[in-house]
Amino acid sequence: DAKTTQPPSMDCAEGRAANLPCNHSTISGNEYVYWYRQIHSQGPQYIIHGLKNNETNEMASLIITEDRKSSTLILPHATLRDTAVYYCIVATGANNLFFGTGTRLTVIP
Amino acid sequence: GAVVSQHPSRVICKSGTSVKIECRSLDFQATTMFWYRQFPKKSLMLMATSNEGSKATYEQGVEKDKFLINHASLTLSTLTVTSAHPEDSSFYICSASREPGPYEQYFGPGTRLTVT
Repeated sequence: DAKTTQPPSMDCAEGRAANLPCNHSTISGNEYVYWYRQIHSQGPQYIIHGLKNNETNEMASLIITEDRKSSTLILPHATLRDTAVYYCIVATGANNLFFGTGTRLTVIP
Repeated sequence: GAVVSQHPSRVICKSGTSVKIECRSLDFQATTMFWYRQFPKKSLMLMATSNEGSKATYEQGVEKDKFLINHASLTLSTLTVTSAHPEDSSFYICSASREPGPYEQYFGPGTRLTVT
């Protein structure tokens, strides 16, 4: 599976949009981009995934560049409960998820 | 959404004893279940993948005789840490997927194991 590169940490003001970048320059045509997050001492939580098109759900939006070499997860209105480690993973499917080090997002009051 | 539970949430055991952790998919049938381990301030490391009724596939470096995985039904998988040692102390997390393909894994809340 392709590797991803994420910044180790980011801060975001409460109520503002949090934009979390991810580089995946070696992604293959059949690999999806998945985003999960892990709040301290809990199991990871699925956020969103996509292949080529931008995706949106009740939690977040996923913007994938046209060449698919990078993506951005957008939390439109960050709250304190969004403080977590966010993992960007590229994989062919749910059976091939390998977690990297992720981005530690801290939402500041 | 799909719910995965784990039991127990925390366990403390003495060195040399065995500990069993259960993982259940509560509202769906899981074709595949996964077991991860996470040390403090580290990311999740996949230990093994199991399909119902067949032997688990272990990742490189994970001792299959030490970490026994049983996936007896489409809703239950168990991980038994045999002859536990303090270095086995970790956060163990299971997950399940409904079917192969571009779908999500649903994660349990994790089990904190402390071996004294």
